[in-house]
Amino acid sequence: DVKVTQSSRYLVKRTGEKVFLECVQDMDHENMFWYRQDPGLGLRLIYFSYDVKMKEKGDIPEGYSVSREKKERFSLILESASTNQTSMYLCASSPTGGLVEQYFGPGTRLTVT
Amino acid sequence: DQQVKQNSPSLSVQEGRISILNCDYTNSMFDYFLWYKKYPAEGPTFLISISSIKDKNEDGRFTVFLNKSAKHLSLHIVPSQPGDSAVYFCEAGGRGSTLGRLYFGRGTQLTVWP
Repeated sequence: DVKVTQSSRYLVKRTGEKVFLECVQDMDHENMFWYRQDPGLGLRLIYFSYDVKMKEKGDIPEGYSVSREKKERFSLILESASTNQTSMYLCASSPTGGLVEQYFGPGTRLTVT
Repeated sequence: DQQVKQNSPSLSVQEGRISILNCDYTNSMFDYFLWYKKYPAEGPTFLISISSIKDKNEDGRFTVFLNKSAKHLSLHIVPSQPGDSAVYFCEAGGRGSTLGRLYFGRGTQLTVWP
C-alpha cells in the first residue's frame, strides 16, 4: 500500500513564525504536491515537484516555498505565517504517467493565531 | 477562473437510491478525469477514473459517464449507502499539459440518510 505521511495532524503557530510542513511517501513516486483545502474552495494547488530539486508553482504559491532534497520528502514552508494561511494542508504523490491517481496524506490542520 | 466546476455544493439522498454527482469543465484539452472521495480529517482517496477515449467506466456500485461534447461528467452511485457520505471531488487533466495543470472542482458533500 502506498503511504503518504505528514509530520503533524494539528499545528498552531503565531503570526510571523516560520512554519515547516513535512511530507514523506514510501512508494518511490516521482511527483509530489502540496494543496490547501478551504471550505467552499475545494483543493487548491500550492506547489508541486516532478523530480528531486525541481519545483513548479501551482495556483496559489504566494507566501509559500517548497523544498525537495530527497525523492521521498517534500516540504512546504510558510516563510512568515499569516492568519489567512489557516487551513487544511494536504500532501500528495503520484508516479509519472498519464491517467494516474494521486495518493494523499491525512492532512495537517494549521491554525495561525 | 475555474476550469472544473461542481455546481452543487451538497446532495442528500436516501439509502438505496441513486446518487448522481456532476462535474463540468471548460478546457477542451482535458482528456482524463478522476473522482476522489474525502472523509472529514482524512486525505482524499481515489475512487474511479475515465479517459476521453471512453464514455463510461464502471467499478462496482460506481459508474462515471463522460460527455465530451458537453464537457460534462457525472458519477453515479447505485445503490447509495450511508458510508458513501463524504465530499466528492472531480479532477481533470490533459496529457498535453504540464503536470501541474491538474484541476480540482470545489467538491460536493454527499449525505446518504437511512
